[in-house]
Amino acid sequence: DAGVIQSPRHEVTEMGQEVTLRCKPISGHDYLFWYRQTMMRGLELLIYFNNNVPIDDSGMPEDRFSAKMPNASFSTLKIQPSEPRDSAVYFCASRLASSYEQYFGPGTRLTVT
Amino acid sequence: KQEVTQIPAALSVPEGENLVLNCSFTDSAIYNLQWFRQDPGKGLTSLLLIQSSQREQTSGRLNASLDKSSGRSTLYIAASQPGDSATYLCAVRNYGQNFVFGPGTRLSVLP
Repeated sequence: DAGVIQSPRHEVTEMGQEVTLRCKPISGHDYLFWYRQTMMRGLELLIYFNNNVPIDDSGMPEDRFSAKMPNASFSTLKIQPSEPRDSAVYFCASRLASSYEQYFGPGTRLTVT
Repeated sequence: KQEVTQIPAALSVPEGENLVLNCSFTDSAIYNLQWFRQDPGKGLTSLLLIQSSQREQTSGRLNASLDKSSGRSTLYIAASQPGDSATYLCAVRNYGQNFVFGPGTRLSVLP
């Protein structure tokens, strides 16, 4: 398996623009997680899905953030409008329901100017 | 609310040394604890997962221990190598909750 795939790997955008981050989990995994990592706050869970259904989005910082999982092999994290303080590395992770080990993607480094 | 801390924040050792990384958590009613490695600009790689009923897990030169009563876990790395240089994060999961990550320890192993 190719592991968790994220795209783009790097994104530079101007404040106010819409940003869409994409994730393909490992095939067969039941859970999908979106994390954000910054120097100041470390790694934070934003939202997670179980069988494509959002379970807990309490980590989503504001209404500007939204996430979807239209099918078992694809998820998006959208920021609209983006702000400079959204600059961070965004990770997607997935796991099986029968295991507690999470597998992380390489991350998307977002820079909002 | 679970809080996870890691000491030291950074560590530099000569190649060949044995070393210990520390992880502390405030809520001892955990479900499991996982150690990750993160290389610069990369994602996280799972190293070891310890269930709440376990005291330790071993994988190669790595050994992770868990003491729930004191709210601590240690990651022991034997015979360190320059390739071990990375940031090591511990993550703690309570029942019905998701992982809470520590800030990480940045390890440098000097050749």
